[in-house]
Amino acid sequence: KNEVEQSPQNLTAQEGEFITINCSYSVGISALHWLQQHPGGGIVSLFMLSSGKKKHGRLIATINIQEKHSSLHITASHPRDSAVYICAVREASGTYKYIFGTGTRLKVLA
Amino acid sequence: DTGVSQNPRHKITKRGQNVTFRCDPISEHNRLYWYRQTLGQGPEFLTYFQNEAQLEKSRLLSDRFSAERPKGSFSTLEIQRTEQGDSAMYLCASSSPFSVEAFFGQGTRLTVV
Repeated sequence: KNEVEQSPQNLTAQEGEFITINCSYSVGISALHWLQQHPGGGIVSLFMLSSGKKKHGRLIATINIQEKHSSLHITASHPRDSAVYICAVREASGTYKYIFGTGTRLKVLA
Repeated sequence: DTGVSQNPRHKITKRGQNVTFRCDPISEHNRLYWYRQTLGQGPEFLTYFQNEAQLEKSRLLSDRFSAERPKGSFSTLEIQRTEQGDSAMYLCASSSPFSVEAFFGQGTRLTVV
């Protein structure tokens, strides 16, 4: 079992729909990142969370430390949101390296 | 400071050739990480530097791979005798000892033909 699990793996939505991507992890963490990766492109950090909730534009990220779960929501989705969204958790000790989920491939249709 | 910079952004090489990638972290970030992302997978940890010391290496880092951070600033990742299986996105990240946040570079996409 992977230490970071994302669901769904693939998601197709119609423009305007509300989208939720989930991330569950099994290790102790100091922070959690949501990252966005466009085809052929590099990685862009959307949010860094250690508790609670953050909002940026149409994007909302929440984390529940006790349940070891985070969600990324996209409101009023748009075709330009089509990308791979990756959850990454940072270890709470040691080298503090990141462990990544395998990503959720989102396609938003016009 | 413009963030973590990686060069080149793209590299196409013939099988058997050596390649070197460079990562310039954010100034004064003493922690530097290399990750590798193959198609359809999330990034996987390769190696970690604290200042100039390489403190952890993944088993993914075969003998053909070597990473350095000679002065505790920029880092290089070299792959010798490249194989088609080395085709991937190589990501660098850096962080400060005073923050839980790491900053990611845009990555170097390697294609071995």
